[in-house]
Amino acid sequence: KQEVTQIPAALSVPEGENLVLNCSFTDSAIYNLQWFRQDPGKGLTSLLLIQSSQREQTSGRLNASLDKSSGRSTLYIAASQPGDSATYLCAVRLLNRDDKIIFGKGTRLHILP
Amino acid sequence: GAGVSQSPRYKVAKRGQDVALRCDPISGHVSLFWYQQALGQGPEFLTYFQNEAQLDKSGLPSDRFFAERPEGSVSTLKIQRTQQEDSAVYLCASSLDRGPRQPQHFGDGTRLSIL
Repeated sequence: KQEVTQIPAALSVPEGENLVLNCSFTDSAIYNLQWFRQDPGKGLTSLLLIQSSQREQTSGRLNASLDKSSGRSTLYIAASQPGDSATYLCAVRLLNRDDKIIFGKGTRLHILP
Repeated sequence: GAGVSQSPRYKVAKRGQDVALRCDPISGHVSLFWYQQALGQGPEFLTYFQNEAQLDKSGLPSDRFFAERPEGSVSTLKIQRTQQEDSAVYLCASSLDRGPRQPQHFGDGTRLSIL
C-alpha cells in the first residue's frame, strides 16, 4: 500500500530565507508526483507536477525534485515571503490506478514578516 | 463557471441527521472525484465518476455514504445517519478526461461539522 510522508509537519522561518520541504513515498511505481498549496478554508492549488521520467520542475521561486528510486521528493522555496504561508501537500498518482491520488498530511508553513 | 463550485461551504448537523453536499464541476469535465479531508490530514479518496458512471467507490468509509451524478454533470454526496467521525472537509475535483496526464481541479470544499 502506497504511503506518503511529509516532514516536517510544521515549519516557521523568517522572511527571505530559502527552505526545503520533504516528501517520501513507499512504492516507486508512480505515474507522477505533484505539489499542492492549500490556504485555510480553501481547496488545493497545483504548484508543480513532475512526471516519473523527470528529475525536477521549476516555477518562479519554486523548484521540485524527484528521485523515484529512493522514493523522495523535495520542494525548494527561494527567498520566502509572508504570502507563501500555507499548507503544502505532496501527492503521488499510482501507476496502476491512474485516477487515484495519494496525499501526504502536508507541511504547515509560516513565514514570519 | 470558471472553477469547481461546492455548496454549502459550511454545514452543521446533529448526529443522526442526513446531509447532502453538492459539487458543480467545471463545464465539460468528464471526470469527477470526491475526497474527505480530516483536520490536520491530507485528502483521502472517496469515489470517482466518469460521466454518470461511478467507476470507483472503494474509498467510501461505510454504506452510510452514497454519491451520485445522474446526468453526468452535478454530483451529490449524501451521508445518512451522520456520526461525529464524519466531521471533515469534503473536497470535489474534476478533470477534463480520464488519465493520469489530466490535472484535477479542486473546489474549496464543504466543511461538515457533526454535533
